[in-house]
Amino acid sequence: LAKTTQPISMDSYEGQEVNITCSHNNIATNDYITWYQQFPSQGPRFIIQGYKTKVTNEVASLFIPADRKSSTLSLPRVSLSDTAVYYCLVGDVLNNAGNMLTFGGGTRLMVKP
Amino acid sequence: DGGITQSPKYLFRKEGQNVTLSCEQNLNHDAMYWYRQDPGQGLRLIYYSQIVNDFQKGDIAEGYSVSREKKESFPLTVTSAQKNPTAFYLCASSTFAGGNSYNEQFFGPGTRLTVL
Repeated sequence: LAKTTQPISMDSYEGQEVNITCSHNNIATNDYITWYQQFPSQGPRFIIQGYKTKVTNEVASLFIPADRKSSTLSLPRVSLSDTAVYYCLVGDVLNNAGNMLTFGGGTRLMVKP
Repeated sequence: DGGITQSPKYLFRKEGQNVTLSCEQNLNHDAMYWYRQDPGQGLRLIYYSQIVNDFQKGDIAEGYSVSREKKESFPLTVTSAQKNPTAFYLCASSTFAGGNSYNEQFFGPGTRLTVL
């Protein structure tokens, strides 16, 4: 499984755009990049997933450069309720063992008023 | 309401006792997972099961046991052999991984186990 590196913590203010970058230098050809969000004392929930270029859904955007060695989760106009831990996961999700993704330490986002 | 439930939410046990954590899902998912989370840390995979009557060890299986007799249930037993069992335990489920689709994991609310 590709190792990922993300900032331990980030601070932001309400209404700002937040970009969290994840490094995955040894990403493999079949690996996808997946982001989960976790609130305190709750289980994580899926946010977004991508393979290359840009993916956007109602919650976030995911930017992946051509070399795929990093990715950036973008949260537009954050609110206090976006305060959570964000996990970047990289793995071959299309194979039988693809769901065996590793949750690292994540990035603790604090949104301030 | 479809979902995944875990019980109890808080659990206390005395050192040396075995304890079983419940996990039930009505999402008709084939795969189920158990994770452990320590304060300020990420999730670590304990066991997973992709089909009834079959399960595999994850990264930290020592001191834990599971069973998968029914599709909707995947109980986890924390045995007395687990040296440091106090943690937050999360159960998840997903459709069977394979083919050309990503099968996101749906998590339960978790059980916080404290060993006294």
